[in-house]
Amino acid sequence: GENVEQHPSTLSVQEGDSAVIKCTYSDSASNYFPWYKQELGKGPQLIIDIRSNVGEKKDQRIAVTLNKTAKHFSLHITETQPEDSAVYFCAANGGYQKVTFGIGTKLQVIP
Amino acid sequence: EPEVTQTPSHQVTQMGQEVILRCVPISNHLYFYWYRQILGQKVEFLVSFYNNEISEKSEIFDDQFSVERPDGSNFTLKIRSTKLEDSAMYFCATTYLIGETQYFGPGTRLLVL
Repeated sequence: GENVEQHPSTLSVQEGDSAVIKCTYSDSASNYFPWYKQELGKGPQLIIDIRSNVGEKKDQRIAVTLNKTAKHFSLHITETQPEDSAVYFCAANGGYQKVTFGIGTKLQVIP
Repeated sequence: EPEVTQTPSHQVTQMGQEVILRCVPISNHLYFYWYRQILGQKVEFLVSFYNNEISEKSEIFDDQFSVERPDGSNFTLKIRSTKLEDSAMYFCATTYLIGETQYFGPGTRLLVL
């Protein structure tokens, strides 16, 4: 089955700086890669996703890149704000219905 | 914006008791999922459900677990005889089409004593 590795597990940045979270996946059949943000006590909320036919996608301060050859995908948050502080999960679908999550990155944006 | 809802938000139960967790999917969604998240760990897939059948399940989803959509609205997860290690957040997720975005509910925090 699919295995998703994510790093770093924790990340602290100064407000206004950029944050980068990296993931790798194992199953070449994966074709859908969502990123979720989880705030304390809440369920994961989709913030951006990318499909295997696209190399990069951007939505305001958030961008995701995908390298299918290397099986890497990354989340980039620019101009970070305190409200960006949360746990971020990458995921891959392994070609199936379910999504397999990474371990999560706890992002802290320091004002 | 439509959202997935779950009840209860918190459930405390004694080991060996049965619990039923409920989810109301987004109205036009056809595919339903349960995931769980043990405190501090990753979100893990339990089961997917489509057309009143289980379509995929993980190793975690053993005979103690069952799912159903009894009234065409609620989607439920039943744990027949809870164990201490069942303590976790349980998330329902739904989607309209396979491979499309899965929308997660707020979760039910289950504590087994």
